[in-house]
Amino acid sequence: AQSVTQLGSHVSVSEGALVLLRCNYSSSVPPYLFWYVQYPNQGLQLLLKYTTGATLVKGINGFEAEFKKSETSFHLTKPSAHMSDAAEYFCAVSRSGNTPLVFGKGTRLSVIA
Amino acid sequence: NAGVTQTPKFRVLKTGQSMTLLCAQDMNHEYMYWYRQDPGMGLRLIHYSVGEGTTAKGEVPDGYNVSRLKKQNFLLGLESAAPSQTSVYFCATGFTGNYGYTFGSGTRLTVV
Repeated sequence: AQSVTQLGSHVSVSEGALVLLRCNYSSSVPPYLFWYVQYPNQGLQLLLKYTTGATLVKGINGFEAEFKKSETSFHLTKPSAHMSDAAEYFCAVSRSGNTPLVFGKGTRLSVIA
Repeated sequence: NAGVTQTPKFRVLKTGQSMTLLCAQDMNHEYMYWYRQDPGMGLRLIHYSVGEGTTAKGEVPDGYNVSRLKKQNFLLGLESAAPSQTSVYFCATGFTGNYGYTFGSGTRLTVV
């Protein structure tokens, strides 16, 4: 069974600083990988996804993630944090296109002015 | 362009009561899912459906039942609610291999 580990339940950065949210997965086959964002009292919104092809994936709002098979990682980054990035972020994995996503426990991002 | 609509948005139940949560989608997706979100636990899959008339168990199915009588609707039932079922419930639709999922805005359920 796949699993996802998000390192750090809470990450705090200063406005303008680099955002790095870590995600490691376990999968016996090349996975499908996703990052979702959840703003307070809202549903989840897709940030970006990796299925096949280029390992550096660009998403919305300036976020990107790199699939590193050798490290079984899919870390999310943004060069410069904005106050509006404060939210909870979820990494998710699936072993195939028709298998439900398994979510990590989430990382809450705080941005300090 | 509603996407995925969940009703109700909030509900308070007494232990032992029953209720049904409705998820309706207008995206013509075959796959639909019910997840629950609890603090520090992320989202956990309860049940899912790969098409009209089909359902399958997820990670935490106990205490819940589901039905998919119409393609656009996926119902989640609690026959006898327990305090442990206090949670935020999210419905989602979509195919993992394409664009991922579209989520509803959630149902916040409290069982007292």
